[in-house]
Amino acid sequence: EVQLVESGGGLVQPGRSLRLSCAASGFTFDDYAMHWVRQAPGKGLEWVSGLTWNSGNIAYADSVKGRFTISRDNAKNSLYLQMNSLRVEDTALYYCAKDRRSAGATLDYWGQGTLVTVSS
Amino acid sequence: DIQMTQSPSSLSASVGDRVTITCRASQSISNYLNWYQQKPGKAPNLLIYTASSLQSGVPSRFSGSGSGTDFTLTISSLQPEDFATYYCQQSYSMPRTFGQGTKVEIK
Repeated sequence: EVQLVESGGGLVQPGRSLRLSCAASGFTFDDYAMHWVRQAPGKGLEWVSGLTWNSGNIAYADSVKGRFTISRDNAKNSLYLQMNSLRVEDTALYYCAKDRRSAGATLDYWGQGTLVTVSS
Repeated sequence: DIQMTQSPSSLSASVGDRVTITCRASQSISNYLNWYQQKPGKAPNLLIYTASSLQSGVPSRFSGSGSGTDFTLTISSLQPEDFATYYCQQSYSMPRTFGQGTKVEIK
């Protein structure tokens, strides 16, 4: 059974940093691209970032480019999101999601999310 | 960036109704279009990928069609468990973008 478990969320002040983690199990992690998607309270889905199976291709939404860094450790079956210079508008539930393929953007499994609240 | 626009933003329907949701891309995305269902307090669930392929385990009452810029998600006979919010998403180019969502409510 595919499982994605996010952690690392919490309350943080504007301008500070936070690192999210996603622990994956139930599939061959290094065969698939992975993504982060967020959802602000009461709002729709926003794709944040994604990377291919070997981290050869990495992309970000314009809203986070230059502030967030996605990475993966295939030996640890883990995905990460380093979030710097956080803003109030980054407040959201952050989902880790698995791709159907090694490179792409069709998200077939999702975690339950970790909540990030940016507030002074 | 490619903009994805869904219509309607919300709709009310009864059990057994045929429901159609439309998604329009701001430029051609071939068939690189996915549909997701999200219920309150839950993570999204992939329904349809590459415009018309049914994800494993998804009931056959769900279907997708379209190519280029115009796409449709159809629920042939709405069931109680289908009341949710539906999102389209393009996987054609970076950054990946979602539509704003369509909330399907009980009439």
